[in-house]
Amino acid sequence: AQKVTQAQTEISVVEKEDVTLDCVYETRDTTYYLFWYKQPPSGELVFLIRRNSFDEQNEISGRYSWNFQKSTSSFNFTITASQVVDSAVYFCARRVDTGFQKLVFGTGTRLLVSP
Amino acid sequence: SAVISQKPSRDICQRGTSLTIQCQVDSQVTMMFWYRQQPGQSLTLIATANQGSEATYESGFVIDKFPISRPNLTFSTLTVSNMSPEDSSIYLCSATSGVDYTFGSGTRLTVV
Repeated sequence: AQKVTQAQTEISVVEKEDVTLDCVYETRDTTYYLFWYKQPPSGELVFLIRRNSFDEQNEISGRYSWNFQKSTSSFNFTITASQVVDSAVYFCARRVDTGFQKLVFGTGTRLLVSP
Repeated sequence: SAVISQKPSRDICQRGTSLTIQCQVDSQVTMMFWYRQQPGQSLTLIATANQGSEATYESGFVIDKFPISRPNLTFSTLTVSNMSPEDSSIYLCSATSGVDYTFGSGTRLTVV
């Protein structure tokens, strides 16, 4: 099975701490896409980033950064100087590049940022 | 990216009844998907909605329980039939025409 694993079920930090959310994926494809989504308590899914397998450059967007390493099949997400508004469930997902190109989601990591 | 309008946003339903959820996309999309998210869980794909043909269901989901329509490239419905409390979940639709995947805001369903 081409799974996405998020081993951390829940992480609690205090505001201004840095936090890294782990994501490990399985794939037999040479070309694939990986995603991160945020789900705040309101329930909607907020798109954060898409990365294709050809682009191993790390990316930084404000307080967010992503570390993509094909050698370890990992796509980790770091929030720098966390804020209370970062409290949410974060999902890592990958696109299955056969058939209908559906997204397969990890189990999610609940991040709690306290003041 | 496309924008999806999903409704209703929430509902409380009696067991044994059915609820139809609608998703309207503001542009034509290739694929639409329906997901279920049970309380505290991840998203599980129910089916892929194909325009002009029957939906393709994932293992564990059947058409009689979750009939889906996709009459055109911008609209799809999911019906949750003969509901039981175990169907209480968030249901989300998603759409894509390539590498961008957009999600509706979700329908929070409670069955009593």
